[in-house]
Amino acid sequence: AQSVTQPDIHITVSEGASLELRCNYSYGATPYLFWYVQSPGQGLQLLLKYFSGDTLVQGIKGFEAEFKRSQSSFNLRKPSVHWSDAAEYFCAISGGSNYKLTFGKGTLLTVNP
Amino acid sequence: GAGVSQSPSNKVTEKGKDVELRCDPISGHTALYWYRQSLGQGLEFLIYFQGNSAPDKSGLPSDRFSAERTGGSVSTLTIQRTQQEDSAVYLCASSLDRLAKNIQYFGAGTRLSVL
Repeated sequence: AQSVTQPDIHITVSEGASLELRCNYSYGATPYLFWYVQSPGQGLQLLLKYFSGDTLVQGIKGFEAEFKRSQSSFNLRKPSVHWSDAAEYFCAISGGSNYKLTFGKGTLLTVNP
Repeated sequence: GAGVSQSPSNKVTEKGKDVELRCDPISGHTALYWYRQSLGQGLEFLIYFQGNSAPDKSGLPSDRFSAERTGGSVSTLTIQRTQQEDSAVYLCASSLDRLAKNIQYFGAGTRLSVL
């Protein structure tokens, strides 16, 4: 069965600091990989996705993620965090004939001024 | 509208009552999904529609849960005889079709509280 692990439940960073959110997955092949962000009272917004090709993908709001097959990871990064980035971040996978998204438990990001 | 619309945004009900949650997908999207977000379980898949048919109901937690979709558009998730453990945020998503590469766009959800 496929699964996604986000090891960090809660991360606090200072505004302007760099950020890395970790995501590891278990899947029989190379999955399709996604990062979504959820602000309070909002739905999930797609930040970026990886299907194939270049393993470093760029997304919206200055985020990027790198797929590392050898580590089964898809970590999300941002060089300089803004206060508006405070939200919950979810890593998700799907793939092949499996259209269902399997999500990690999420990482709550707090940004200190 | 431009996005996935869900109503109501909040629903408070008493244990044992039935509730209906509505989802209006993005126009032209043939695939529609329901997920549940709860504190203990995170985000879980409930059911998938392709057009008006539901080929995958594998995530529905019990037979108190049912869903339908009419006209290839609006979907209703019904929970009968609600229990406190049904309290969660119910999210609807839609995509162009069922291909895994198609992005799923999410609504803001319905927060259900069962007292």
